[in-house]
Amino acid sequence: DVKVTQSSRYLVKRTGEKVFLECVQDMDHENMFWYRQDPGLGLRLIYFSYDVKMKEKGDIPEGYSVSREKKERFSLILESASTNQTSMYLCASSLGLETGDPDTQYFGPGTRLTVL
Amino acid sequence: QQQVKQSPQSLIVQKGGIPIINCAYENTAFDYFPWYQQFPGKGPALLIAIRPDVSEKKEGRFTISFNKSAKQFSLHIMDSQPGDSATYFCAGVSWGKLQFGAGTQVVVTP
Repeated sequence: DVKVTQSSRYLVKRTGEKVFLECVQDMDHENMFWYRQDPGLGLRLIYFSYDVKMKEKGDIPEGYSVSREKKERFSLILESASTNQTSMYLCASSLGLETGDPDTQYFGPGTRLTVL
Repeated sequence: QQQVKQSPQSLIVQKGGIPIINCAYENTAFDYFPWYQQFPGKGPALLIAIRPDVSEKKEGRFTISFNKSAKQFSLHIMDSQPGDSATYFCAGVSWGKLQFGAGTQVVVTP
């Protein structure tokens, strides 16, 4: 079974703090993704990565950055946390098929971040 | 602006009923339409998916109906059980990226 783990289930930070959210997958997947989940908005893509040291902006990248130094690890960084970044953050990974076949994303359990 | 519109936001059915969740999309570049199921405290997990060249797909008690001309698709849960109580997300996929609907919370009462 694919396992995607996230470093914390719950996190409380203060406005202006630098926040690191870590994600690790154990299935040698090429692709990794960070989403935030908010009620009534579903999941929105923040950043994704198709390869080590490679990153692409998603739909809502403002206020976030990412790092992928190793294939299995993808970090989301909030340079200066703000209250509007209080949310559930979900990491996902996928195999990275190049055949045109559907590429299932596997999600971690999420980190609920509260910024005070 | 959400590229996939999902309704209703929530619904309650009795055990054995058939909850139906509807989604509509605008992006004709979507080439795959998955549904994800999320239980409290867990991340979403793929439930069932369909390609746009197929009008219906069944897996167990879950059925997707797809109408390409109307750009709409729906999920039916046959003979629903209390264990099906969860939040369901539809999505469209383009270039490997998912665009999710807002989600539907389904409660199946005993």
